[in-house]
Amino acid sequence: EVQLVESGGGLAKPGGSLRLSCAASGFTFSSYSMNWVRQAPGKGLEWVSSISSTGTYIYYADSMKGRFTISRDNAKKSLYLQMNSLTVDDTAVYYCARDGGRFVPAAMSFDSWGQGTLVTVPS
Amino acid sequence: QSVLTQPPSASGTPGQRVTISCSGSSSNIGSNTVNWFQQLPGTAPKLLIYSNNQRPSGVPDRFSGSKSGTSASLTISGLQSEDEADYYCATWDDSLSGYVFGTGTKVTVL
Repeated sequence: EVQLVESGGGLAKPGGSLRLSCAASGFTFSSYSMNWVRQAPGKGLEWVSSISSTGTYIYYADSMKGRFTISRDNAKKSLYLQMNSLTVDDTAVYYCARDGGRFVPAAMSFDSWGQGTLVTVPS
Repeated sequence: QSVLTQPPSASGTPGQRVTISCSGSSSNIGSNTVNWFQQLPGTAPKLLIYSNNQRPSGVPDRFSGSKSGTSASLTISGLQSEDEADYYCATWDDSLSGYVFGTGTKVTVL
C-alpha cells in the first residue's frame, strides 16, 4: 500500500523558514516524480512544485520561485520542501502527492496523497 | 487565481445526475489530459478520474469524465449521499510549465 507521511509543519515567523519532509513507503520511490500541493484554510488546491524521479527536472509555481526549494533523497525514500521568506499567504496545509511516472507531467498525476502538514505564518 | 474555472457549487437529490464543468485554455486543457479529484470534508484529495475519462481501480463507475476542446466535465450518475464533497479538476499548463488546479466545486446532496 502506498503511504506518504508529511512532517515538519508548524508555526513560523513572517520572513522565517521551515523544511517539510515526506516519507514514502509501499512503492519504488525512485521510479516516480513527486509533488507538493497546498491548501489555504477554506480555500482550493494550489500546486506548489514538482520534481522528476531522479531530481533532474524541477518545476515551481510562479509565486514560490526563489523562495521554495524542492528536493528528494531516493536512498531515504523522502521528499523535501525548503520554504524561505515565509509570509502570511503561505499559511496552508501542505500535501505531498505522487505523480504517475518518472517524468512530469504524468497522465495519472497526483494518484496518491499524504494526510498533509499544517504550516501557520501569523500576521 | 486559478486558470481553470469551475462552478462554485452544484447539487442534486439522491439518484440524480450532476455534471461539473472545468473551463481552461489552449495551453492547458486544450493540450493536455485532465484529472479530477474528490475531497471529502477534513480529508486529503483522492484521484477520481485521470487521462480525461479513466477511473483508477476502486472508483465507482457512476463517476465519469470527458473532455472537448478547452473544457472538461465530471459527471456523477446516480448521486449518493457519500458523494457530498469538493471536486477539483487539474491539468498541466504548457505556458506556465506547471500544474494548474480548478477553482473547485462543492457538491451538495439535497
